[in-house]
Amino acid sequence: EADIYQTPRYLVIGTGKKITLECSQTMGHDKMYWYQQDPGMELHLIHYSYGVNSTEKGDLSSESTVSRIRTEHFPLTLESARPSHTSQYLCASSAFRDATYEQYFGPGTRLTVT
Amino acid sequence: AQKITQTQPGMFVQEKEAVTLDCTYDTSDPSYGLFWYKQPSSGEMIFLIYQGSYDQQNATEGRYSLNFQKARKSANLVISASQLGDSAMYFCAMREDGSEKLVFGKGMKLTVNP
Repeated sequence: EADIYQTPRYLVIGTGKKITLECSQTMGHDKMYWYQQDPGMELHLIHYSYGVNSTEKGDLSSESTVSRIRTEHFPLTLESARPSHTSQYLCASSAFRDATYEQYFGPGTRLTVT
Repeated sequence: AQKITQTQPGMFVQEKEAVTLDCTYDTSDPSYGLFWYKQPSSGEMIFLIYQGSYDQQNATEGRYSLNFQKARKSANLVISASQLGDSAMYFCAMREDGSEKLVFGKGMKLTVNP
């Protein structure tokens, strides 16, 4: 079973606030990812990391930033939240299993910016 | 460019019946992997099944099987003996080998009726 955690699960916050979405995994996986998903829509990769001190931008442009100081921790930060940031944010990590890198997802954070 | 198409916005099936969820894909890379994920209303993404482009046999995982037709570029998910707990969003995804990017389709909503 995957052990990947996200906090908070739900967040309602005002415009202009700085927020950090937490993601932790206890599996020792090197690769971690952040996806953004609008309601009823597909997931879009916004950030990923190959390991400590490695971060890359994904396909979907995002105003968020990430850091990877420890293997198990991959937080996402929005310096100034806006209503357009309202979405679900899903964190994932991956391990090689059965000839592919299988991605394990956290429960997600539903962000609402008012 | 990679692309995943799921054209069924929603489907209804009776409990204990089988159901097929459609997925077509487009890629110019000869080596790739196809994934199906389930997303219940709680929001987490649950990995169901994986098919490699060079796999000779269709993948199976319990009640899930993948009907892989490479020439038609389709990777339909078959759920046998539907259960009420199968009601969820289902996403087809693809990753080209050597890429970190998991590209998702728009998903489709399955409702299992008692």
